Amino acid sequence: DTAVSQTPKYLVTQMGNDKSIKCEQNLGHDTMYWYKQDSKKFLKIMFSYNNKELIINETVPNRFSPKSPDKAHLNLHINSLELGDSAVYFCASSQGGGAGTEAFFGQGTRLTVV
Amino acid sequence: DAKTTQPTSMDCAEGRAANLPCNHSTISGNEYVYWYRQIHSQGPQYIIHGLKNNETNEMASLIITEDRKSSTLILPHATLRDTAVYYCIVRVASVGGADGLTFGKGTHLIIQP
Repeated sequence: DTAVSQTPKYLVTQMGNDKSIKCEQNLGHDTMYWYKQDSKKFLKIMFSYNNKELIINETVPNRFSPKSPDKAHLNLHINSLELGDSAVYFCASSQGGGAGTEAFFGQGTRLTVV
Repeated sequence: DAKTTQPTSMDCAEGRAANLPCNHSTISGNEYVYWYRQIHSQGPQYIIHGLKNNETNEMASLIITEDRKSSTLILPHATLRDTAVYYCIVRVASVGGADGLTFGKGTHLIIQP
């Protein structure tokens, strides 16, 4: 069983469209994250959710919105897509942030905006 | 979180031990050292973490200097599948927190056959 799964794996879309990326974890973790890896391979955290509350919101455009229907899912919605949104998006989960916490990552969703 | 410095790239022969250094001279007393790696086209993978003492698990060993200003990740018998970017991350392990990971540029480790 895949611990953290994302769908779709690849997503090609036109500028201005609205799209969603789904993420599910079967580890029973209470915290989920979204990271963005740009073309220069820098990995940056975008959001995290803990007990259905947004804990971190970095300097991410409000076109991006995480939605968590339950503890096992954290979907990423993106409105009005722009060329600069092209990147690989990774979902991750962990059990809190205490000592010994390790994050498990999904395989990534490669988003290409044309 | 404290800043880390790692070499951009390293080579290691297959079957030999790979030793990846990391400097974190501004680390504070409540910050842990974490190592993750990212194999090409995959998500990052947790390897090991430690506070003061050396640590070992099935994947690797982590050696932290006594002053905690630097550490070394050791892959004892490197294989071709260990070719990846290795990230050294220093962070506070806050109980109940969810502050995520701050990735630097990492070290691109290339295992040579």
